[in-house]
Parts: sequence; C-alpha cells; structure tokens
Amino acid sequence: GAVVSQHPSWVICKSGTSVKIECRSLDFQATTMFWYRQFPKQSLMLMATSNEGSKATYEQGVEKDKFLINHASLTLSTLTVTSAHPEDSSFYICSVGQASYEQYFGPGTRLTVT
Amino acid sequence: GDSVTQMEGPVTLSEEAFLTINCTYTATGYPSLFWYVQYPGEGLQLLLKATKADDKGSNKGFEATYRKETTSFHLEKGSVQVSDSAVYFCALSDDGDYKLSFGAGTTVTVRA
Repeated sequence: GAVVSQHPSWVICKSGTSVKIECRSLDFQATTMFWYRQFPKQSLMLMATSNEGSKATYEQGVEKDKFLINHASLTLSTLTVTSAHPEDSSFYICSVGQASYEQYFGPGTRLTVT
Repeated sequence: GDSVTQMEGPVTLSEEAFLTINCTYTATGYPSLFWYVQYPGEGLQLLLKATKADDKGSNKGFEATYRKETTSFHLEKGSVQVSDSAVYFCALSDDGDYKLSFGAGTTVTVRA
C-alpha cells in the first residue's frame, strides 16, 4: 500500500493565527487525497476531497474559506486552517485513494488552538 | 445515503477470548467494505477488505465476510492478544467512488 506522511505531527497555535498541515504521498502519485477530522474517541469525518490541479470538493457544513486545501502536485496536499479558534482543535488526518477503492492514511496531525 | 452502523463499545476481553464486532451498512450501489484499525497513538491502517458479496477478507487472524443478504460485515477473531487492543472502524466505499463512510469505531481492550 501507499505510504503517507503528515507534517507536523503536532502543532500548537494561538487563536486567530493560521496553520498549515502537509500531507505527502511518498511512493504513489496521488491524483486524489482526502482530509478528515477526528474528534476524541469519535469516528472520522470527511472534510474534503483534494484533487490535483483543481479545486477541492468540500463536504456539506465544512467552511471552504476556513479550511483551505491546495493539491499542487501528485505527492503533496496541504490543509491550512485560517484564523484558528479553540473549537478547531482536533486531529486532522489525510489519506490517499488507491486501487480497489482503498485508502491509505497518514499518521495524523494534532492541532491545539490556545 | 451511505452509512455504516457499528456495535458500540468499549469492549473488554481477556487474552485468548473470541472477539466479534458487528457492522451493518446501507448503500445505494455495490460497495466495497473495509475494516480499519487504529492502534494507540497511530494512524488508521487497513486491516482487511472485501469487494463483492460472499468475499471473505482476512488478515492477522481477523476475518470478515461480506453478507449482502444481511448487509453485514462482522469482524471476528478467534483468540485475541493484548496487542489487538485498538479502535476498529468499519467502512464502506460505494461503487466507483473512493470516498469512505466510517462507522463510529469500537474500542477494544484486551487484558492479559
């Protein structure tokens, strides 16, 4: 399966600032990547589908102006949380879509907004 | 729309006990079904999958059979180990789509 990395693994930022999270597909050219959010002890919520070279597709209820997604190359997608607030604190996870509709997940980034 | 319903946890077992986690689904098409596992402090890993009815996925002693007649994909393991302590997620991907719908997750703790 694909190997997916995320950077940083943990970030703390102050309320009102923006933070960028990177997702890299290390051994697979990913035309499609996914961004999820996971609250403590809860399931993953799909936020958006990131398509290389085009605009991301956001799920209903996800603010596209707050969660900016850029998929500039086949190996890199970024999620920028703009003007972060404490309620944005969460675990953000990316994944890469591969054959047989499988997805391979990054290790996640824990965001804490103070 | 597509949805997955998983049995609620947490589940606590003794080592060598039998584990079963129920999962049922609702889908409009012919989905592929997956079990993902999340070990403490780690990301999700694909545990097993089945892409069509009556397929059995298996890995690391875990098994699940795609039952179209009961729309189920129950996860089973005959003899669990402490290292199986994790959160298990049932998921589906509908025909022709990479998007995954996840169940709520079931936390399993195995005691020595």
